Amino acid sequence: KQEVTQIPAALSVPEGENLVLNCSFTDSAIYNLQWFRQDPGKGLTSLLLIQSSQREQTSGRLNASLDKSSGRSTLYIAASQPGDSATYLCAVVGTSGTYKYIFGTGTRLKVLA
Amino acid sequence: DTAVSQTPKYLVTQMGNDKSIKCEQNLGHDTMYWYKQDSKKFLKIMFSYNNKELIINETVPNRFSPKSPDKAHLNLHINSLELGDSAVYFCASSQGNSLNQPQHFGDGTRLSIL
Repeated sequence: KQEVTQIPAALSVPEGENLVLNCSFTDSAIYNLQWFRQDPGKGLTSLLLIQSSQREQTSGRLNASLDKSSGRSTLYIAASQPGDSATYLCAVVGTSGTYKYIFGTGTRLKVLA
Repeated sequence: DTAVSQTPKYLVTQMGNDKSIKCEQNLGHDTMYWYKQDSKKFLKIMFSYNNKELIINETVPNRFSPKSPDKAHLNLHINSLELGDSAVYFCASSQGNSLNQPQHFGDGTRLSIL
């Protein structure tokens, strides 16, 4: 059974810092992995989607990497800003069982001005 | 120009009542989903519909019944509400059911059972 874990659960950093959020999954047989952002009282916004054949994806100040064999993904945020404050969730789609996203528990990020 | 819209945003009701949550998307997507986010912020899929057909039905009590009148709508009806149903319910949509396309989420419906 696929389990997705995100560490740390919460993180506070001063503005301008580069930071890394971690996501690990127990079953490396995945189709893809997606990083989402959730603002308080809002739905999820898709940030980056990495296919199983890819190693990384980049969008602006965000870079997500995928190491399938070790069951890990990282989301790198460069030059963090207060507007980056949100909860970040990763989710994977496995190749066995029901074709659906399994979500991690999220990392709550606060960027201090 | 809202992409995925859910109504109502808040729903407070008593145990035992029946309630519905509506979801509409104007993105032209053919797959829609319902997720439940519990008090610990854990997000779990409940249902998925592709072209009005049910393709995912997780182990959800049969008090929950999704209805898709057309591709752009996926409503969720809940009978005999229980305390444990209190959560935030999110609707989402995507193009195709391959899950290789990003999912677009609504802002959620916060359901509180008294």
